[in-house]
Amino acid sequence: AQSVTQPDIHITVSEGASLELRCNYSYGATPYLFWYVQSPGQGLQLLLKYFSGDTLVQGIKGFEAEFKRSQSSFNLRKPSVHWSDAAEYFCAVSNSGNTPLVFGKGTRLSVIA
Amino acid sequence: GAVVSQHPSWVICKSGTSVKIECRSLDFQATTMFWYRQFPKQSLMLMATSNEGSKATYEQGVEKDKFLINHASLTLSTLTVTSAHPEDSSFYICSAPSSLSGNTIYFGEGSWLTVV
Repeated sequence: AQSVTQPDIHITVSEGASLELRCNYSYGATPYLFWYVQSPGQGLQLLLKYFSGDTLVQGIKGFEAEFKRSQSSFNLRKPSVHWSDAAEYFCAVSNSGNTPLVFGKGTRLSVIA
Repeated sequence: GAVVSQHPSWVICKSGTSVKIECRSLDFQATTMFWYRQFPKQSLMLMATSNEGSKATYEQGVEKDKFLINHASLTLSTLTVTSAHPEDSSFYICSAPSSLSGNTIYFGEGSWLTVV
């Protein structure tokens, strides 16, 4: 069975600092990997996804993620965080493009001045 | 781009009553839709897979008779919470894969249910 681990429950960074959110997955084959962001009381917004090809994926809002098969990881990065990035971030995995996603528990990002 | 719409966004109902949440794919056909539940400050948990024209597939531990899912058309799936109780209060969100966008899965805006 697939599983996703987000080791960090809560991360606080200063505005303008770089950010890396960790995600590890467990899946036998090549997974479909996703990062979503959720603001309080809101739905999910897709930041980026990886299906195949270039392992460095560019997303919206200046985010990127790198798929590392050897480490079973798909960490999310942003070089300079903005206050508006404060939200909950979810990593998710599926085994194809039309099967349900399995979500990690999420990482809450706080941004301080 | 593909859009999935949910209605209502917010609903308050009395204990013992039933409430229906709709999930629509607005510009693509969805033979499959997924329903998730998210309790406050927790992750999203898959409840069931809705299949157009056939019975839904429920995840272990999800009561089929309590959470009725109907997928009567290629653009509409409904989740009915029957005999709602306060512990059913949660954020319910649906999603659907769109072949128009390389099978990207799109999420609805979610529906907040509060049972009083």
